[in-house]
Amino acid sequence: AQTVTQSQPEMSVQEAETVTLSCTYDTSESDYYLFWYKQPPSRQMILVIRQEAYKQQNATENRFSVNFQKAAKSFSLKISDSQLGDAAMYFCASTSGTYKYIFGTGTRLKVLA
Amino acid sequence: GAVVSQHPSWVICKSGTSVKIECRSLDFQATTMFWYRQFPKQSLMLMATSNEGSKATYEQGVEKDKFLINHASLTLSTLTVTSAHPEDSSFYICSARVGGRNTIYFGEGSWLTVV
Repeated sequence: AQTVTQSQPEMSVQEAETVTLSCTYDTSESDYYLFWYKQPPSRQMILVIRQEAYKQQNATENRFSVNFQKAAKSFSLKISDSQLGDAAMYFCASTSGTYKYIFGTGTRLKVLA
Repeated sequence: GAVVSQHPSWVICKSGTSVKIECRSLDFQATTMFWYRQFPKQSLMLMATSNEGSKATYEQGVEKDKFLINHASLTLSTLTVTSAHPEDSSFYICSARVGGRNTIYFGEGSWLTVV
């Protein structure tokens, strides 16, 4: 069975600073995918970044990047130059061949002006 | 990116009645759609997986007779909450998988309040 764990219920970051959100996972699958989704107050789930497990290179999307440590089963999200609009709930998720997504419990990110 | 539209965004219904929520993929064909329920300040709980042209697969503990899911076409899945009760009040959100890709896109979600 797959599990996804987010150990930080809440994080704060000063505007323009960098913050890292943690995520660990467990899976018996060899082929799987990892994601970070953002859920702002509107509740719309927005895909932030996606990582294929078979790729060693860490995914990057503008100010968002991941640190994918496959052996440690760790998948953290780094947000650089934090902006007020980054404030939201962030969910880490994994999926494998069944396409069922397993979500972590989320981390609420506050951005301080 | 792929667009998924969910309707209605808000719905209030009386206890004992049924309510239908629609999930549409607007610019792609979705062979698989997923329905989630999210309680306040909690994560998304997968309710069922909906495959076009076949019966939905429900997660353990989800009443299939209460939460009817129909995936009649490649662009539309519906969730019908039958004989709704106040404890069914929640935020329901659908997602759709783009064929051939291991990425899902979410609808805007629907708030259901049963009074």
